[in-house]
Amino acid sequence: GAVVSQHPSRVICKSGTSVKIECRSLDFQATTMFWYRQFPKQSLMLMATSNEGSKATYEQGVEKDKFLINHASLTLSTLTVTSAHPEDSSFYICSAPLGSNQPQHFGDGTRLSIL
Amino acid sequence: AQSVTQLGSHVSVSEGALVLLRCNYSSSVPPYLFWYVQYPNQGLQLLLKYTSAATLVKGINGFEAEFKKSETSFHLTKPSAHMSDAAEYFCAVSPRNSGNTPLVFGKGTRLSVIA
Repeated sequence: GAVVSQHPSRVICKSGTSVKIECRSLDFQATTMFWYRQFPKQSLMLMATSNEGSKATYEQGVEKDKFLINHASLTLSTLTVTSAHPEDSSFYICSAPLGSNQPQHFGDGTRLSIL
Repeated sequence: AQSVTQLGSHVSVSEGALVLLRCNYSSSVPPYLFWYVQYPNQGLQLLLKYTSAATLVKGINGFEAEFKKSETSFHLTKPSAHMSDAAEYFCAVSPRNSGNTPLVFGKGTRLSVIA
């Protein structure tokens, strides 16, 4: 069964709306989670590293004020796309390692469509 | 720095034929290597991983991969393709023994299986 749960799976909303995506680790604690973005027919690009109890680390070119990350607990990280615009439409995927030097497990992703 | 190159963005095989998906990596430190599969509008599922034990790694669904340090390769194979194998496959690398670090993905290879 799934070890990482991501919700919602699909969001369609108007331009200017803020959208929150949740990523939960099931039955294990994750001090670190990762957020990726995937454009159609392309690979996953790391956006940021979510750290429980501290600020997220963003990759170069990713606007931290645009993509707010909160690692509220050892089992939950949220990504909020603020004032979303059509160019933010994409597939967002989170992941969490089961432990140090363990494979990452991925959520099922969120398809975000901004009209 | 680490990188992954997947040769061939699209591979097409007949049902029952050998599947070979190529992956070459570049890493300044001993790596961990992974293969993930992604079905449409879904997250990534771990197929197999190399973490410095046996160089021939067996994964789920009949897939296996061989780590060849001399060739810096980690090609994915399956003796006999099945229609259900049609999906996107990603090779990924992370530094070994570095705690929780994000994966670096290749661009992916789309596998089509022809009846």
